[in-house]
Amino acid sequence: QQPVQSPQAVILREGEDAVINCSSSKALYSVHWYRQKHGEAPVFLMILLKGGEQKGHEKISASFNEKKQQSSLYLTASQLSYSGTYFCGTDPLPAQGGSEKLVFGKGTKLTVNP
Amino acid sequence: EAGVAQSPRYKIIEKRQSVAFWCNPISGHATLYWYQQILGQGPKLLIQFQNNGVVDDSQLPKDRFSAERLKGVDSTLKIQPAKLEDSAVYLCASSLWGQGVAFFGQGTRLTVV
Repeated sequence: QQPVQSPQAVILREGEDAVINCSSSKALYSVHWYRQKHGEAPVFLMILLKGGEQKGHEKISASFNEKKQQSSLYLTASQLSYSGTYFCGTDPLPAQGGSEKLVFGKGTKLTVNP
Repeated sequence: EAGVAQSPRYKIIEKRQSVAFWCNPISGHATLYWYQQILGQGPKLLIQFQNNGVVDDSQLPKDRFSAERLKGVDSTLKIQPAKLEDSAVYLCASSLWGQGVAFFGQGTRLTVV
């Protein structure tokens, strides 16, 4: 039930782009993306609902492929502040609609160097 | 707007001792989650409350862990007796029902020695 994230880790130079993927074996109602810096709480980035929409926030955007139960997080022109571990959280799709039960992947550690 | 409050921030106990964590969610948030995050892993859902009712506790080790949310606001998570493998950060999160966005507290870092 736990979503699978890839890659496990990525190292970038400032200004480079990265893509983080999240896939689930279950039909999903929504996908949530969080970033966690060392020793801090996870911080919400964005939520994508079923319907294949794409969302963006400055230079961070995400897509949700409902048919493949996959989501991708796109970080463009990375900044030093983007460093951290990125988690996707998935909300499975029961018959009655989203359960709001968030199950997180193992995370992708992103390091942005000068 | 005040965030999710948790206490204590850190706790060190010996194995077989008991420990309790407290969480105060964001005002008005009906849904409350407790997660366990072991170093290097993603948060693992232990229990989810909707107001003061349990929605999901399928991954809560009920022989040693218990949680309650009296009056549908504050919540406590207890471990009794603690084991070495319980060493982790315990995160509390809350959300508005129907919105799905969970806001996390700073967590309690538990070390069992």
